[in-house]
Amino acid sequence: KAGVTQTPRYLIKTRGQQVTLSCSPISGHRSVSWYQQTPGQGLQFLFEYFSETQRNKGNFPGRFSGRQFSNSRSEMNVSTLELGDSALYLCASSIGGRHDTQYFGPGTRLTVL
Amino acid sequence: DQQVKQNSPSLSVQEGRISILNCDYTNSMFDYFLWYKKYPAEGPTFLISISSIKDKNEDGRFTVFLNKSAKHLSLHIVPSQPGDSAVYFCAASGMAGGTSYGKLTFGQGTILTVHP
Repeated sequence: KAGVTQTPRYLIKTRGQQVTLSCSPISGHRSVSWYQQTPGQGLQFLFEYFSETQRNKGNFPGRFSGRQFSNSRSEMNVSTLELGDSALYLCASSIGGRHDTQYFGPGTRLTVL
Repeated sequence: DQQVKQNSPSLSVQEGRISILNCDYTNSMFDYFLWYKKYPAEGPTFLISISSIKDKNEDGRFTVFLNKSAKHLSLHIVPSQPGDSAVYFCAASGMAGGTSYGKLTFGQGTILTVHP
């Protein structure tokens, strides 16, 4: 089975721009979770989508949004980029139950200049 | 408010010996715990998990122990191999309820170095 894929792998943007990241889950997985990893804050939960609905949300500003398509692929969008948004953005997929293991993609490294 | 803590930023062990990585949590609503390994420029790789109804789970060289009264879990790797050198994260998820789905709360990670 193919693993979780994320595109693009690297991205450089300037302050004020917006960015869209994509995540394709493992086949058969219906849940996609997004995380931000920074040196200072570690791995922090952004939001989770299941069957095209946001089921859970972390403590991030409204500039961070996401969506999920009928094939379970997910995108996250960050508008009005700030320098502090520079991070590794990871998505993880699972079958969708509470204790189902999350499998992570390789991440997208976003640099905001 | 750091609900999952890994107090040792790094650990160095000799090949063949035991590696013990520790994790503490504060939220008594957590009922499922996982360990992930991460190499630079890659996403975390799942290692092993444990439910709060158990106190031990084994998978090959990896064993996770859970002490609910102390709100403490540990990962034992025996024997340690140089290829185990990576950052190890413990993660926790909460009790039943819509808001617990899909959310893992991570510790800050411990860098494990296994010397040949």
